[in-house]
Amino acid sequence: NAGVTQTPKFQVLKTGQSMTLQCAQDMNHNSMYWYRQDPGMGLRLIYYSASEGTTDKGEVPNGYNVSRLNKREFSLRLESAAPSQTSVYFCAGGKGPLNTEAFFGQGTRLTVV
Amino acid sequence: RKEVEQDPGPFNVPEGATVAFNCTYSNSASQSFFWYRQDCRKEPKLLMSVYSSGNEDGRFTAQLNRASQYISLLIRDSKLSDSATYLCVVNTGRGYQKVTFGIGTKLQVIP
Repeated sequence: NAGVTQTPKFQVLKTGQSMTLQCAQDMNHNSMYWYRQDPGMGLRLIYYSASEGTTDKGEVPNGYNVSRLNKREFSLRLESAAPSQTSVYFCAGGKGPLNTEAFFGQGTRLTVV
Repeated sequence: RKEVEQDPGPFNVPEGATVAFNCTYSNSASQSFFWYRQDCRKEPKLLMSVYSSGNEDGRFTAQLNRASQYISLLIRDSKLSDSATYLCVVNTGRGYQKVTFGIGTKLQVIP
């Protein structure tokens, strides 16, 4: 029982490159989230998926796209990476909008140069 | 004013000490409150929910003060293993976009 698994754990991109961050959960959660965490700032919601087949923008969606491939998987894509997207990205799953516990993946440390 | 404010610290306390953190929130309509713990370079994990009546789990006590719009976390008999960053999380209950994380308070317990 792995919980929430993110890949990769580390990535360095050049400005303008694209990549997809993968997230999978085996906890049968309906809701999944993508957050970014930057120094001096709280976690900020990029996109969320309330249930399979639905996705919605969070607080900071610009420059990102997401796909809820099935109940288990929720991917985050950077189409054209920018240095401002250097951050730690966390995927999380939960039963609802954090009314109950949210389970986070181990994070992806992304550097855009 | 930020929606959720925390003193980033660090709070350096000796083992065995009692330490308390506060977290203030600006939206009086906030409905759910949580404390998460985040170890260095790790993911956040739920420490405890904060109920109107308070919540106690071993050495940890969380309180909610709606009148003054803050929540608190009290740690008694601090252990070295308590060293971490404690994140305050506030949910206005109006949907997924209304969950706000504080920047966290860093605690360092010193031998």
